Amino acid sequence: QSALTQPASVSGSPGQSITISCSGTYSDVGNYQLVSWYQQHPGRAPRLMIYEVIKRPSGVSSRFSGSKSGNTASLTISGLQAEDEADYYCCSYAGRLYLFGTGTKVTVL
Amino acid sequence: EAQLVESGGGLVQPGRSLRLSCAASGFTFDDYSMHWVRQPPGKGLEWVSGIIWNSGDMGYAGSVKGRFTISRDNGNNSLYLQMNTLRPDDTALYYCAKGRGWQLGYGLDVWGQGTTVTVSS
Repeated sequence: QSALTQPASVSGSPGQSITISCSGTYSDVGNYQLVSWYQQHPGRAPRLMIYEVIKRPSGVSSRFSGSKSGNTASLTISGLQAEDEADYYCCSYAGRLYLFGTGTKVTVL
Repeated sequence: EAQLVESGGGLVQPGRSLRLSCAASGFTFDDYSMHWVRQPPGKGLEWVSGIIWNSGDMGYAGSVKGRFTISRDNGNNSLYLQMNTLRPDDTALYYCAKGRGWQLGYGLDVWGQGTTVTVSS
């Protein structure tokens, strides 16, 4: 299996909304409601931001939301803030294994 | 507070073996699946392996299948990764992570700080 495809970088100004796409296949993203998203700041461990496509763990801002259509999942960050600048990875279950995305660097202009 | 602490990393020659450990605390260890995820220097995340709550099922990435073995000791709240026939492309920071559920498939909601494995002659 190959990694899920994400744009290498996305940028936005403070207060704007951005969306990160995560493209997979019918064997992973398209077949399971088990897509998760992780935020990683430099030198830090990843942090779970979204699980099961649309759910937010306690403590995660409501500015983060997830969705899925067919073989593509998306993460939207609304009201972009400086602290959102980080790397973001999607991840999908694919039948006894997980596939991570290629990662997206979010820059707050 | 849930916490995971990895250990066992280091410098190893190609073809040799290494065993990673992960000590868990702050949650009921045997209620959840556990996983290893790695990150090569300057690169992205790669899921390596996962094991369900009672060791009854496990999964591996294609890149490590047949070389790595995951195991857990619920009595000692510990997770392990036995890595054999190591290659230079196994060089990475290895994270231990907790699954949200007892099965494979769910998000990884608690992460350790990682242990570094370097494979080089």
